[in-house]
Amino acid sequence: GDSVTQMEGPVTLSEEAFLTINCTYTATGYPSLFWYVQYPGEGLQLLLKATKADDKGSNKGFEATYRKETTSFHLEKGSVQVSDSAVYFCALPTQGGSEKLVFGKGTKLTVNP
Amino acid sequence: DAGVIQSPRHEVTEMGQEVTLRCKPISGHNSLFWYRQTMMRGLELLIYFNNNVPIDDSGMPEDRFSAKMPNASFSTLKIQPSEPRDSAVYFCASRKQLGGELFFGEGSRLTVL
Repeated sequence: GDSVTQMEGPVTLSEEAFLTINCTYTATGYPSLFWYVQYPGEGLQLLLKATKADDKGSNKGFEATYRKETTSFHLEKGSVQVSDSAVYFCALPTQGGSEKLVFGKGTKLTVNP
Repeated sequence: DAGVIQSPRHEVTEMGQEVTLRCKPISGHNSLFWYRQTMMRGLELLIYFNNNVPIDDSGMPEDRFSAKMPNASFSTLKIQPSEPRDSAVYFCASRKQLGGELFFGEGSRLTVL
């Protein structure tokens, strides 16, 4: 079935370091792809999305490009801040459309000052 | 606008007791999702509703779990009887339209002793 695989965490970086969190997917067709973020003690919230191949989603300095050839949607940020410390989830819809959203296991990011 | 509202935020109970978790989705949203989050299994979809009708409950662990959505502004997730392995954070999320963003509540943290 449709699924996403994220790199295992946790990831610990110093402020202003470059961030990459890998995500690959298995899907029928070309679904939209999402990154959600969960700050401590909160629910998940949408960070960015891409709806078709070669699209780049971006928000708050984060970017991810929908790459059909490598079935990937890696999350990147050029310079992380302490406030970016959170758990990041890659997700895609299943059932041939956008009914259910399936999430990766999450990658915990800690940014130290 | 108010977001997705869940109650209680924290629940501690003893094994064998009935637990009821509540959710009020965002007004105008027609899909509602219940997720469970644990360290071991990550974020699991339990059940989702479209227009108050359960569409897919294949993620509900067993008969001890049940969910209802009597109207567009209210849903419950019930566990009876509860067991220690049900300890988790339970999230409710709502969505306005197919393919749209999921909006999550802050979660209900359940501890079963």
